[in-house]
Amino acid sequence: GENVEQHPSTLSVQEGDSAVIKCTYSDSASNYFPWYKQELGKRPQLIIDIRSNVGEKKDQRIAVTLNKTAKHFSLHITETQPEDSAVYFCAASKASKIIFGSGTRLSIRP
Amino acid sequence: DADVTQTPRNRITKTGKRIMLECSQTKGHDRMYWYRQDPGLGLQLIYYSFDVKDINKGEISDGYSVSRQAQAKFSLSLESAIPNQTALYFCATGLAGTGELFFGEGSRLTVL
Repeated sequence: GENVEQHPSTLSVQEGDSAVIKCTYSDSASNYFPWYKQELGKRPQLIIDIRSNVGEKKDQRIAVTLNKTAKHFSLHITETQPEDSAVYFCAASKASKIIFGSGTRLSIRP
Repeated sequence: DADVTQTPRNRITKTGKRIMLECSQTKGHDRMYWYRQDPGLGLQLIYYSFDVKDINKGEISDGYSVSRQAQAKFSLSLESAIPNQTALYFCATGLAGTGELFFGEGSRLTVL
């Protein structure tokens, strides 16, 4: 079955700097790659997603890139702000079976 | 607001007891999921369902069972709870063709 690996497990960046989180997946038939943000004590919420026919997608300070050949996808957050502190999860989906990575705890230093 | 509701929100039980976690949704979504969250392990898929007659095992279904009683209700059962099933459990819903999941607030289960 699908396996999603996510790195790093923790990430600390200076406010205003960029943060990058990387994921790899094993099943080449996966065709949908969402990213979720989970604030402390809250439920995960979708922040951005990308489908396998697209290489990059941006939404304000957040972007996601997908390399289907290498089975890699990444989340990029620019100009980080204190409210970006949270746990981020990548996921890969095939036929609506959605498998998550192990999460990255992002901390923003003032 | 249409939402995903989980009950109970917190439960403490003893080893060997049967426990049921319930999930109901008013979003009108056809897909429903149960995930387990442990620190450092992310969200692990237990079971998922596309409709009342279509239930599928996820990554970690051993020791769990589910019931899709209606389009809007999806229950997770632990027939004989054990301490390593202590975790935060999330129900989620989704709509065919969109991919996005909508999570409930979670049910924290402690097995002593």
